[in-house]
Amino acid sequence: RKEVEQDPGPFNVPEGATVAFNCTYSNSASQSFFWYRQDCRKEPKLLMSVYSSGNEDGRFTAQLNRASQYISLLIRDSKLSDSATYLCVANNNNDMRFGAGTRLTVKP
Amino acid sequence: DAGVTQSPTHLIKTRGQQVTLRCSPISGHKSVSWYQQVLGQGPQFIFQYYEKEERGRGNFPDRFSARQFPNYSSELNVNALLLGDSALYLCASSLGLQETQYFGPGTRLLVL
Repeated sequence: RKEVEQDPGPFNVPEGATVAFNCTYSNSASQSFFWYRQDCRKEPKLLMSVYSSGNEDGRFTAQLNRASQYISLLIRDSKLSDSATYLCVANNNNDMRFGAGTRLTVKP
Repeated sequence: DAGVTQSPTHLIKTRGQQVTLRCSPISGHKSVSWYQQVLGQGPQFIFQYYEKEERGRGNFPDRFSARQFPNYSSELNVNALLLGDSALYLCASSLGLQETQYFGPGTRLLVL
């Protein structure tokens, strides 16, 4: 079983839609969590950190549920430019574990 | 400010050869981590260095080694290349341990 699991998708949504991704992690000792986005043939770029209290950055909202060991990302009012692969990350003592990513395509 | 830089951008090697990949962190960052990303998968952690010392190692064979220099730049070495080593090798830098990591553009390695 992978340490971090994500639905690979693809998610195909129209512009303006709301889309949610979930991610589960198996190591309960994980201390910090992140979402990265990765465009095709590019490096991952930090989207946002994930906090237990939940955090929002514009159209993006991230949530962490430590009891259930899952992380979520909500994207509201999807834009064409949101099309990318979204990587979930759980970090334990400098060992960053990435999920395989969820692919999102936003269509006109 | 310049981001993380890596060289070379692309590399083609044959089985059994050795390769050295280079990374320069963001100015002021003291930690460098290396990842391997094969197609369709997320990055897999190889090493983390902080203040020139290895502070973390992933599940990779001893053919993989790395070091960090006094200027915080880093090299990743892979010996006795296998076809399965073909991947995108990513370097990430952070201010310190447990800090947010920022990735470089990667080196695409193809082993024939």
